[in-house]
Amino acid sequence: AQSVTQLDSHVSVSEGTPVLLRCNYSSSYSPSLFWYVQHPNKGLQLLLKYTSAATLVKGINGFEAEFKKSETSFHLTKPSAHMSDAAEYFCVVSESGGFKTIFGAGTRLFVKA
Amino acid sequence: KAGVTQTPRYLIKTRGQQVTLSCSPISGHRSVSWYQQTPGQGLQFLFEYFSETQRNKGNFPGRFSGRQFSNSRSEMNVSTLELGDSALYLCASSPMGLAGVNEQFFGPGTRLTVL
Repeated sequence: AQSVTQLDSHVSVSEGTPVLLRCNYSSSYSPSLFWYVQHPNKGLQLLLKYTSAATLVKGINGFEAEFKKSETSFHLTKPSAHMSDAAEYFCVVSESGGFKTIFGAGTRLFVKA
Repeated sequence: KAGVTQTPRYLIKTRGQQVTLSCSPISGHRSVSWYQQTPGQGLQFLFEYFSETQRNKGNFPGRFSGRQFSNSRSEMNVSTLELGDSALYLCASSPMGLAGVNEQFFGPGTRLTVL
């Protein structure tokens, strides 16, 4: 069975400092992993996805994530936070061959000026 | 390409009524999924339709139903509305569905308020 755990419900950083949003997953098969972002009153937008190619995945807006199979983690990072990054972030796991996609509970990112 | 569109964007209903929400996927996408998002429960999967067939279903009561038309447009229906059905309902489309590498493209959502 697949599952996904976002380890922090809220993260607060200062503008210009690094961002780290943590995600652990569980999957019986080779998973595909995604990060989505949701700004207030908007739908979700794909930031990046891992599909068993390179373990370090680069996404939009300077975000990247590293797939670590030994740690079953897929943490999202950004070197320098911007005010516009304030939003909710969802880690998602999907199994190849299956038809289920599981969303994490979300991490709300606050960016202080 | 136009994105996923959902209508209406906002809806207010009273308990006991029923409601129908509509979703038009990105052109060429055959899979449409529906999600309910609430502050308490987060994002929960309702169901997925692919080529007019319900392929996957979440853990929601039978009051929640859906269908997909031959042009891939989808509707979601909730009967006998309860206060707890107040939520943002998100629709997502995908070229081939939820399996593996396929990312989903989300619409802006329909905000349903049940009074």
